Amino acid sequence: AQSVSQHNHHVILSEAASLELGCNYSYGGTVNLFWYVQYPGQHLQLLLKYFSGDPLVKGIKGFEAEFIKSKFSFNLRKPSVQWSDTAEYFCAVIDCRGNNRKLIWGLGTSLGVNP
Amino acid sequence: NAGVTQTPKFQVLKTGQSMTLQCAQDMNHEYMSWYRQDPGMGLRLIHYSVGAGITDQGEVPNGYNVSRSTTEDFPLRLLSAAPSQTSVYFCASKGTGGNQPQHFGDGTRLSIL
Repeated sequence: AQSVSQHNHHVILSEAASLELGCNYSYGGTVNLFWYVQYPGQHLQLLLKYFSGDPLVKGIKGFEAEFIKSKFSFNLRKPSVQWSDTAEYFCAVIDCRGNNRKLIWGLGTSLGVNP
Repeated sequence: NAGVTQTPKFQVLKTGQSMTLQCAQDMNHEYMSWYRQDPGMGLRLIHYSVGAGITDQGEVPNGYNVSRSTTEDFPLRLLSAAPSQTSVYFCASKGTGGNQPQHFGDGTRLSIL
């Protein structure tokens, strides 16, 4: 079965530091990939998604992610984080096999940014 | 559009009580789902529905019932609340016709004493 791994459970950075959050999935066929963000006390919001085409995806708030098929990865990056980026980040995958295209979620990475 | 609306936002129950968490969406989405979010465990799918009249179990369905009598509404029922069901519950919906992203409600924080 498809699974999603987010290797960093907790990350703490200083403002202006660069960010990279890892996301790997287990099945190497056709997938659709998502990053969601959950700010403290709020609901989940979509940051960016990849379905096909350019493997470098631009999202909201300066985030981007790169789909590397050979590595089964979809890492999230931001060149310079801000205090307001403090949140929990979830990677999710839709396995395109079959008709039941449920989202498979990673466990999340908690990001804290020190001002 | 209001998007996905969940009520209530907070609830405290005693063990053994029953209650229904409401979820409504006004985007005419066919697919709706319920997740629970617990520290260190991420999001876990409880039940989902691919359209009115059709529901199916997710990863952690025990202790919960759902129904989907209309496209707009997808209530989650706790039959006999247990402390293990203390969690934050999120309802989500998405359109069909491809792999659309999910839209989430604001969540319901539920505590079972």
